[in-house]
Amino acid sequence: QKEVEQNSGPLSVPEGAIASLNCTYSDRVSQSFFWYRQYSGKSPELIMSIYSNGDKEDGRFTAQLNKASQYVSLLIRDSQPSDSATYLCAVERGSGNQFYFGTGTSLTVIP
Amino acid sequence: NAGVMQNPRHLVRRRGQEARLRCSPVKGHSHVYWYRQLPEEGLKFMVYLQKENIIDESGMPKERFSAEFPKEGPSILRIQQVVRGDSAAYFCASSPGERDGYTFGSGTRLTVV
Repeated sequence: QKEVEQNSGPLSVPEGAIASLNCTYSDRVSQSFFWYRQYSGKSPELIMSIYSNGDKEDGRFTAQLNKASQYVSLLIRDSQPSDSATYLCAVERGSGNQFYFGTGTSLTVIP
Repeated sequence: NAGVMQNPRHLVRRRGQEARLRCSPVKGHSHVYWYRQLPEEGLKFMVYLQKENIIDESGMPKERFSAEFPKEGPSILRIQQVVRGDSAAYFCASSPGERDGYTFGSGTRLTVV
């Protein structure tokens, strides 16, 4: 079982819709969770962090965490074509020192 | 306020040559990480360093690969006797603390011919 699993997509949504990206992880002790956005040929960019169960909102982005289900998600409201990118889920290794990254979900927002 | 600076952006090496990748972290960040990314694959952890110390190198191949973060100067990822399978994007990231999110550099794309 991979440490972090994401649906690779591609996920396509129309402009203005809600995009929902999901991630599951295997290390029950993990405490820190991040979402990164990576445009093609570019480096990952941190967009959200979440540490506690529940929802965390930042502008059009909402991160959701359920530690019991070992599940993290990212919702993007009012999706824009500029949101088209690969979204990487990162989960802290329980013993610390590094993060495991998923392979990413490719999102395309159709104008 | 410069971010993580990596150079070179692109590096071409013949099989058997050495590759040196450099990374200067965000000013004030003492934690440096190196990750490798292959097409269609996720970021794979290689090594975690603090100044003059390797904290975790569990992701680094035992042979040909080494990393350092000296007291002065950038962090260096060194690959000796490169092979075609070393071709990848190598990203350096830094953070202010162990559990903080990373700031990534723009990466070095290594091509071994």
